[in-house]
Amino acid sequence: TQLLEQSPQFLSIQEGENLTVYCNSSSVFSSLQWYRQEPGEGPVLLVTVVTGGEVKKLKRLTFQFGDARKDSSLHITAAQPGDTGLYLCAGEPGSARQLTFGSGTQLTVLP
Amino acid sequence: KAGVTQTPRYLIKTRGQQVTLSCSPISGHRSVSWYQQTPGQGLQFLFEYFSETQRNKGNFPGRFSGRQFSNSRSEMNVSTLELGDSALYLCASSPVLILKEKGPDTQYFGPGTRLTVL
Repeated sequence: TQLLEQSPQFLSIQEGENLTVYCNSSSVFSSLQWYRQEPGEGPVLLVTVVTGGEVKKLKRLTFQFGDARKDSSLHITAAQPGDTGLYLCAGEPGSARQLTFGSGTQLTVLP
Repeated sequence: KAGVTQTPRYLIKTRGQQVTLSCSPISGHRSVSWYQQTPGQGLQFLFEYFSETQRNKGNFPGRFSGRQFSNSRSEMNVSTLELGDSALYLCASSPVLILKEKGPDTQYFGPGTRLTVL
């Protein structure tokens, strides 16, 4: 069974601060996806990374896929209250459309 | 393009009953996956359907079942409900890219059905 460990589990910061969320595994994934989920709603896709070492930027969010495709990070610059939510990483092990999810990081950005 | 839709959004049942949840994928998407989300276990994969066939299955008891129709719409059924089945049930669709196309088979989630078992 492939597991994804996500840290930290909870993060409460002030508006304007920077933060990084980590997603680690001992297994290799063919791709890794990051989602954000609001209470009572389904996860919304932020980005998909496929190539080892890949870096993708989405406005103030920077996503990185590890060289060995076993880990990933999400960095938010100058966080805003609108960034508040549950951030989930999810790995696709191979050709199967069966995502393995991390436990999530609950981010709260205080004004 | 309309997103993934799930019905109903909320459902309350009692122990022992059965329930059927419905999912309509994004137009053109051929794969539908189901996930269960609980505070204790997080998001866990239930099963995936493609071309009306179950392709992958997670580690859930046989009380959990599903099917897919020719129009790619999917239903999941839970029989003999238990208190622990209370969860947010999420459906995700993906296009199933053909081999010559590049890119991962990204999954897009619906809003979920909140099931409460009393």
